[in-house]
Amino acid sequence: EVQLVESGGGLVQPGGSLRLSCAASGFTVSSNYMSWVRQAPGKGLEWVSILYSGGTTYYADSVKGRFTISRDNSKNTLYLQMNSLRVEDTAVYYCARKDIVPYYAMDVWGQGTTVTVSS
Amino acid sequence: DIQMTQSPSSLSASVGDRVTITCRASQGISNYLAWYQQKPGRVPKLLIYAASTLQSGVPSRFSGSGSGTDFTLTISSLQPEDVATYYCQKYNSRPWTFGQGTKVEIK
Repeated sequence: EVQLVESGGGLVQPGGSLRLSCAASGFTVSSNYMSWVRQAPGKGLEWVSILYSGGTTYYADSVKGRFTISRDNSKNTLYLQMNSLRVEDTAVYYCARKDIVPYYAMDVWGQGTTVTVSS
Repeated sequence: DIQMTQSPSSLSASVGDRVTITCRASQGISNYLAWYQQKPGRVPKLLIYAASTLQSGVPSRFSGSGSGTDFTLTISSLQPEDVATYYCQKYNSRPWTFGQGTKVEIK
């Protein structure tokens, strides 16, 4: 079964750090484009970052310089390292898969992990 | 950056009604447009990609159209299980921006 399972969320103080994990099964992370998408409480979806199959990474302006997306091919797992966290980073964080075929969209989503930034 | 604007932000319709949601891009995005459905408390689900291609397993009452800057998601006959918020997303170039969402309710 094709599946993504996130973990690593929690409560952290402003300025703190957290690393989210997204374990994949049923497909190979490194052969796809992998993204993080977040949703603040009561708000819409916000695209955060992407890791292409070739290793190139991109970030939304709101997290650039603070978040780092990466993967461990041996564990078939995607990560999001979040540093210098702000109250406005509070959200449910989803990882999602997009096939490398250009017109395909994000067809597999994890269940989400909640990050709360508060003092 | 290209902005994605959905309308309306919410709507209420009766079971069996035809429902239309529009999404407008501030610049042309060809057909790189997806529609997602998010039911309350649930994970977003891909409905349509490439503007008009139905994702496998999605009921045929859902359809998408458009190209360039103007796109439409149509539910041909609204069902109670379609209560959700619908998002468009462009993915021709980064950032992969989402629209602000359209909340669909049953009247």
